[in-house]
Amino acid sequence: DVKVTQSSRYLVKRTGEKVFLECVQDMDHENMFWYRQDPGLGLRLIYFSYDVKMKEKGDIPEGYSVSREKKERFSLILESASTNQTSMYLCASSLRTGFGANVLTFGAGSRLTVL
Amino acid sequence: QKEVEQDPGPLSVPEGAIVSLNCTYSNSAFQYFMWYRQYSRKGPELLMYTYSSGNKEDGRFTAQVDKSSKYISLFIRDSQPSDSATYLCAMQGGGFKTIFGAGTRLFVKA
Repeated sequence: DVKVTQSSRYLVKRTGEKVFLECVQDMDHENMFWYRQDPGLGLRLIYFSYDVKMKEKGDIPEGYSVSREKKERFSLILESASTNQTSMYLCASSLRTGFGANVLTFGAGSRLTVL
Repeated sequence: QKEVEQDPGPLSVPEGAIVSLNCTYSNSAFQYFMWYRQYSRKGPELLMYTYSSGNKEDGRFTAQVDKSSKYISLFIRDSQPSDSATYLCAMQGGGFKTIFGAGTRLFVKA
């Protein structure tokens, strides 16, 4: 069964802490994504990567950075966590390399609470 | 104005009912129209997608796209309690970005 695995399901951090969210996929997918999901706002794209060491900003990159050193692993970093970053974070991957639909496979999510 | 509008519900129906879920959008460049289902404490999973206008059927699920009206629908026939979830519409142009609706929570009562 193919999977996107997010290392932490629930995290509680304090304001100002550095936070790492890890995501690993075993499908040899080219592309990986980080979304946050908030009630009433749906999923919003933070960053994505279409190749190792490549990254592109999404719609809400402020306060976040990412790292993709290996094809299967994509990390989301909150350099200095703030309360407005309390959210559900979803990692996804996709195979699409050219034209066609970009079908996303999601992990189970990481719920982050910043106090 | 959001690019994709979706009524958040909740929508509560009895078992066996036909369910209609809808989204409207404003960007005429969207080409792929998708529906994801998300169970509680899980990530979204793709139900089905269509390219451009038209209908697509998969078992009890039918997706419709009307590009002239910028309106998409998902119909669920003979709804089951196991269909209780949040349904997210999603749309793409030609790139990597997917724009999601806020999701509609559906409850199917036994």
